[in-house]
Amino acid sequence: NAGVTQTPKFRVLKTGQSMTLLCAQDMNHEYMYWYRQDPGMGLRLIHYSVGEGTTAKGEVPDGYNVSRLKKQNFLLGLESAAPSQTSVYFCASSYGALGYNEQFFGPGTRLTVL
Amino acid sequence: KQEVTQIPAALSVPEGENLVLNCSFTDSAIYNLQWFRQDPGKGLTSLLLIQSSQREQTSGRLNASLDKSSGRSTLYIAASQPGDSATYLCAVISSSNTGKLIFGQGTTLQVKP
Repeated sequence: NAGVTQTPKFRVLKTGQSMTLLCAQDMNHEYMYWYRQDPGMGLRLIHYSVGEGTTAKGEVPDGYNVSRLKKQNFLLGLESAAPSQTSVYFCASSYGALGYNEQFFGPGTRLTVL
Repeated sequence: KQEVTQIPAALSVPEGENLVLNCSFTDSAIYNLQWFRQDPGKGLTSLLLIQSSQREQTSGRLNASLDKSSGRSTLYIAASQPGDSATYLCAVISSSNTGKLIFGQGTTLQVKP
């Protein structure tokens, strides 16, 4: 099992450009999450999905869109990148949300917006 | 609103020492608490998960305890090694609808040879 994978690993964008980050998991997990990690702010939830075809907003959703067309994939889109979106993005997944469900994280995507 | 705090922010110890990392949370209505390890420039590796009904979990040299009523968890590392140097994060789930993790800021541990 590959677990949770993310592509790309690194990306540099210019302000106003768009891009899509891909997260894939092979554990048949229902729940998937996108977090961003910033110095001094910790990890914050951007969007999440509780199953194929569903998405919902987290703490910091502005400027991002997501889609969960297939159970194993969760896409994070930036329509018009801004320097404030420079961050490390982590995808995570879990089987469910009950107490015994562990969340597994991908290796991260380091994004710089100039 | 749930808030998670980890103290200290950084810790340096000599190799072989036993140590304790602290995590506190403001709302005791949690479903579980997870401890993660993060190496520089890397992702998060899950170390231990404690369900709300449990008091502790152990994995090798690691032991995590949970006291829901006081809003505290500790991660005990026995016989520390230089390879234990990393940032340790704790996170709680307060909502069973979303499974959203709320993270502390982390404790950066350095174990000196």
